[in-house]
Amino acid sequence: AQSVTQLGSHVSVSEGALVLLRCNYSSSVPPYLFWYVQYPNQGLQLLLKYTSAATLVKGINGFEAEFKKSETSFHLTKPSAHMSDAAEYFCAVSVWNAGNMLTFGGGTRLMVKP
Amino acid sequence: EAQVTQNPRYLITVTGKKLTVTCSQNMNHEYMSWYRQDPGLGLRQIYYSMNVEVTDKGDVPEGYKVSRKEKRNFPLILESPSPNQTSLYFCATGSAGGSYNEQFFGPGTRLTVL
Repeated sequence: AQSVTQLGSHVSVSEGALVLLRCNYSSSVPPYLFWYVQYPNQGLQLLLKYTSAATLVKGINGFEAEFKKSETSFHLTKPSAHMSDAAEYFCAVSVWNAGNMLTFGGGTRLMVKP
Repeated sequence: EAQVTQNPRYLITVTGKKLTVTCSQNMNHEYMSWYRQDPGLGLRQIYYSMNVEVTDKGDVPEGYKVSRKEKRNFPLILESPSPNQTSLYFCATGSAGGSYNEQFFGPGTRLTVL
């Protein structure tokens, strides 16, 4: 079975600062990894996904994530935070034989200070 | 426009009063799923369906029922709601075996059971 751990349920950064949201996964087979964002009162929107091609994945809104197999990590970064980035972020894992099933981490709420 | 719709978006009810939350998609996806979101727990899967007339339990199915009589619809039924089912519910869809298990989410239904 797969699992995901997101370190830090709340992260606060200043506008313009680096955003780093941590995600570690556990999987016995090669994983597919996703980051979703949830803005207030909205559903989840896909930010980016890793599907065994390039290990550095670029997503929407300037976010990117790097798959590191040796560290079983898929951390999300953005060089410069914007006020509009304030949201909750979810890391999720799936595998090819899991029948579309996603396993989510507990989420990290990002707060951006002016 | 590709959409996943849920109704109602907000619902307050009382213990024991049967309710149904509808989910509909226009993307011709085989896979549909229901999740509940609770603070600190991320999203947990309730039930999923790989295709019409095929449903299976997720991680937290107790107290819920589903049906999949048509490809586009996947209603979630709470026959006797209890306060511990107060939560934010999301429907999600995906193309079976495609797009590395990416899922598309509805806007959510916030349910309060008194």
